[in-house]
This record gives sequence, structure tokens and C-alpha cells, in this order.
Amino acid sequence: GAVVSQHPSWVICKSGTSVKIECRSLDFQATTMFWYRQFPKQSLMLMATSNEGSKATYEQGVEKDKFLINHASLTLSTLTVTSAHPEDSSFYICSALPHRGIRGANVLTFGAGSRLTVL
Amino acid sequence: EDQVTQSPEALRLQEGESSSLNCSYTVSGLRGLFWYRQDPGKGPEFLFTLYSAGEEKEKERLKATLTKKESFLHITAPKPEDSATYLCAVQALGGSQGNLIFGKGTKLSVKP
Repeated sequence: GAVVSQHPSWVICKSGTSVKIECRSLDFQATTMFWYRQFPKQSLMLMATSNEGSKATYEQGVEKDKFLINHASLTLSTLTVTSAHPEDSSFYICSALPHRGIRGANVLTFGAGSRLTVL
Repeated sequence: EDQVTQSPEALRLQEGESSSLNCSYTVSGLRGLFWYRQDPGKGPEFLFTLYSAGEEKEKERLKATLTKKESFLHITAPKPEDSATYLCAVQALGGSQGNLIFGKGTKLSVKP
């Protein structure tokens, strides 16, 4: 079945530093990946859509200069939280849609998430 | 505004005690309704997709149903390993396939 892998699973950083999170589709190619964020006891919220070879599309209220997304290949998207602050502490989860022919096709498949804590 | 509300927020059951989780939704047009399971510190794991009112799907002890306003996730004779947070999400017509609107989830605890 389709697997989406994220790394790191957790990270702690100092305020003002930048953190990069990787999202990989392990057994399928993903021209589009999606980045979600989940605060404690809150809903998962879509932050941005990552498009291979082109600019990401950000949801309203998400700062594109703060959350840099790069989708350089068909199996890898990265999210960089720049100049992180404590209010950026959250659970970041990426997802992808496996294409037809893959078990789980057309169902949004999520990675295990990355817990970011900014001190 | 498209919205998903789940109830109850938390549910404690004894092993074998059947119950139902509710997901109420308002959406301009429904493309699909999804149920996911999320374990602590993990990403959501897909359970079901429902597309039209009257549709039902089953998997082991879980059964999902859909009406025009809500969905239910029925859990029959739950086991401790069913303990998790269950998330409901809708995908609106005209929205991208990756844009799911999630509820806050129902945290289920099943005691042996």
C-alpha cells in the first residue's frame, strides 16, 4: 500500500532558527503533496499545497515567506519553518494522493507527522 | 462556511460496549466524507470514504453511515486496541482533492 514518510518525527529548536521537515512518498510518485498543521485539541488545517516543479499554493492566513515549501522531485517535498517562534510549535503532517493502480489510490494518505517545539 | 462538528469530544467505553460517534457537517456540496483514525503522535490512518446519503461501509468492528447532514461511526463490541481519536473530514465539490475539512475528533478510550 501507499506509504508517506516524514522526517524528523520530532524536533526542538531555539527561537529564531529555521527547521526543515521532509516528506517522501515511498512507493509512488506524487506530483502534489499537502501540508497540514494540527494544534493541540484542534482540527487538522491545510496550510499549503506543494506542486512538483512549481510554486506552492498557500491557504489564507498562512505566511508563504515563513513556511517555505520546495517540491523538487516527484517523491520529495520539504517544509522549512523560517525564523521559528514559540507560536509555530505544532504538529506538522504531510499527505499525498497515490495515483491509480496503487492500493489506496485517490485517498489522502498521511505521514506520521513531525512535532515541532520552539523554545 | 464549510464546517465539520464531531461529538462527543471524548468517549469512554468498557470492552464489548457498543456505541456510535457522530459527525455533523455543513458543506456547499459534498464530494466525499472521510473517516480516519489517529493514534497519539501519529498521522491519520484512513478508514472509510462515503460519497452519498444512504451509503454504508464496514470494516471489522467499525461501520460508517452517511445522511445528508451527518455521518455515524458505529463501533460494535470494541476492544482496547480500538482506543484512538477518530477524525471525520469532508471534501467539498470544487475543492482540491487534498483539501479536507476536518472535525476536532472524538477521543475513544476502551477499557478492558
